[in-house]
Amino acid sequence: DQQVKQNSPSLSVQEGRISILNCDYTNSMFDYFLWYKKYPAEGPTFLISISSIKDKNEDGRFTVFLNKSAKHLSLHIVPSQPGDSAVYFCAARDMEYGNKLVFGAGTILRVKS
Amino acid sequence: NAGVTQTPKFQVLKTGQSMTLQCAQDMNHNSMYWYRQDPGMGLRLIYYSASEGTTDKGEVPNGYNVSRLNKREFSLRLESAAPSQTSVYFCASGETGDQPQHFGDGTRLSIL
Repeated sequence: DQQVKQNSPSLSVQEGRISILNCDYTNSMFDYFLWYKKYPAEGPTFLISISSIKDKNEDGRFTVFLNKSAKHLSLHIVPSQPGDSAVYFCAARDMEYGNKLVFGAGTILRVKS
Repeated sequence: NAGVTQTPKFQVLKTGQSMTLQCAQDMNHNSMYWYRQDPGMGLRLIYYSASEGTTDKGEVPNGYNVSRLNKREFSLRLESAAPSQTSVYFCASGETGDQPQHFGDGTRLSIL
């Protein structure tokens, strides 16, 4: 049973526009959420995170929104750049199990120039 | 800055062979993790070590063993490799609290 779901396998966006990547979760014990970016043949790189006590966190072009009642988070990238083309993974920490993370299946983002 | 270093980067094994994947981190993190990534799936936790001297099973531990050699090093062993273990293996390290895990670049393992 997937506890973290990224329902869009891929997303294509024009350079300069907004990219919105979505993630849904089922476990109400998740208390910390992260987004990782992954290029081919490299490991995932941490992008941005948000604690369950917040509903928004912003870092430059990247903003993460958390809607706890809907068990939904999203990553906004504005403006999108060709270098943002990568696989994006949503991850959640289960507070019952320390720092163990549960990952979604990933969304491939393609930014067209 | 090395961060998390994994060796080897690629390996091909025959069914039944054994292999140890090595991982070392230079960030003085207490916790270390082994994940596997398969096509169409996210990273799945195999084993983790919350601190030096401790190890625990993750989501998919069958067919694997681990050793936390010291604070820096955490190895993953396949005793008798099976084709189902063909995957990309990632090692990560991190700290407690609201801190991200940091990943190595992976070991691409093929078992024929």
